[in-house]
Amino acid sequence: GNSVTQMEGPVTLSEEAFLTINCTYTATGYPSLFWYVQYPGEGLQLLLKATKADDKGSNKGFEATYRKETTSFHLEKGSVQVSDSAVYFCALSPNTGNQFYFGTGTSLTVIP
Amino acid sequence: DGGITQSPKYLFRKEGQNVTLSCEQNLNHDAMYWYRQDPGQGLRLIYYSQIVNDFQKGDIAEGYSVSREKKESFPLTVTSAQKNPTAFYLCATGDSSYNSPLHFGNGTRLTVT
Repeated sequence: GNSVTQMEGPVTLSEEAFLTINCTYTATGYPSLFWYVQYPGEGLQLLLKATKADDKGSNKGFEATYRKETTSFHLEKGSVQVSDSAVYFCALSPNTGNQFYFGTGTSLTVIP
Repeated sequence: DGGITQSPKYLFRKEGQNVTLSCEQNLNHDAMYWYRQDPGQGLRLIYYSQIVNDFQKGDIAEGYSVSREKKESFPLTVTSAQKNPTAFYLCATGDSSYNSPLHFGNGTRLTVT
C-alpha cells in the first residue's frame, strides 16, 4: 500500500539554525513526492515537489531529494527564519487514481 | 485571479442542524477533494470527485454528503449524523495530469455547539 511517515513534532529551533524534517514513504510503482506548508488558520501551500528518483525539489531556501533507495524525501533548510514557523506536511501521489497520501504534519517554531 | 474559494471562513451551528460548506474553483481542474483536519492532526479524506456527477467516499465519509453538479463546485454537507463535526475543513483540487500536486483552499472552520 501507500503511506507516508514523517517525524513527530513539535520542532523548536533558533533563528538561523539548520532544519531537517524527516519523511519516509511506502509506495507501489513510481510516486511523485511533495512538501506542503500550512500557516496558522490557512490551507496548505505547495512548497516543493520531486517526480522521480534523485530529483531535488527546491523553493524559498528549502530542499528535498527523492531517494528511492532509502524511500525518503527529507526536507532541509540551511538557515531558518521566524517566518518559517508553520506546519509542514510530506505527501505522495502514486500517479494512479488521483489519490494523495499525507503524513501527519510536523510543527516548526522558530524563535528569534 | 485563479484559485479555490471556500466560504465562509468561520461557521457556527447548533447541534442537530445540517450545514453546507462551499468550495468553488476556477482552475479548470477535474478532481476535487474534501479533507478534515483536527487540531494537531493530519488530513483525513472525506470525499473526492474526479468528474462531474461522480464522487467517491474517502476514509471518513460517514455523516457527510457531497454533490458535483458543476465542474467548478463541490459543496460538502455536514449532517446531524456526524458525531463530532467541529473541525477545520479543507477543499482541494487537482488537474489529474501526471505528477500534478493538489491545490488547497484556505479552509472553513466549523464549530458545532
